[in-house]
Amino acid sequence: AIWMTQSPSLLSASTGDRVTISCRMSQGISSYLAWYQQKPGKAPELLIYAASTLQSGVPSRFSGSGSGTDFTLTISCLQSEDFATYYCQQYYSFPWTFGQGTKVEIK
Amino acid sequence: QVQLQQSGPGLVKPSQTLSLTCAISGDSVSSNSAAWNWIRQSPSRGLEWLGRTYYRSKWYNDYAVSVKSRITINPDTSKNQFSLQLNSVTPEDTAVYYCALEIVVGYFDLWGRGTLVTVSS
Repeated sequence: AIWMTQSPSLLSASTGDRVTISCRMSQGISSYLAWYQQKPGKAPELLIYAASTLQSGVPSRFSGSGSGTDFTLTISCLQSEDFATYYCQQYYSFPWTFGQGTKVEIK
Repeated sequence: QVQLQQSGPGLVKPSQTLSLTCAISGDSVSSNSAAWNWIRQSPSRGLEWLGRTYYRSKWYNDYAVSVKSRITINPDTSKNQFSLQLNSVTPEDTAVYYCALEIVVGYFDLWGRGTLVTVSS
């Protein structure tokens, strides 16, 4: 199985900040990476697929980049509704696997 | 608009079978372009994909190695839903269980609301 390391595990930030979350893979996955946002008590929601393609309805302040083993999720101007936990997920190789999550909290 | 509605008991005794159902509206469990998944989440294991069922002229299933000997995912075309059965559960199987739709292979476009299942006597 392919495993990933997300960093940081916890990110403290303020509204308006630019934040970056990293996801590093145990092996290359081309661009077969998705990002999800999860709020407390809710199911994850798809933000980005194919490493950089925004899911319909997702605000443009979210962006994804990377290929191979290193990927990044960026929120350009953090809004109050963006405080949540973010997960990466690879779908290059079966079984699909998830990162351990990055919690974005209010500083 | 596709919706997934989960149902099933929130408490299961050790060694018994965990059973959950995911009812689909707005799409068909027999769709040739969708796959229907079960994923669970716990503090100790994080998000863990468990398995899926899908129809491509015939029915297929894929299961995670970690649960392969204990899991069954079945479609029910008469009720347009799919189910999860996990046998011989232990407290380690305590988690929030989600059903999820996979349209393009590999990522999950839509998730059910989740069901907390506790394994305890």
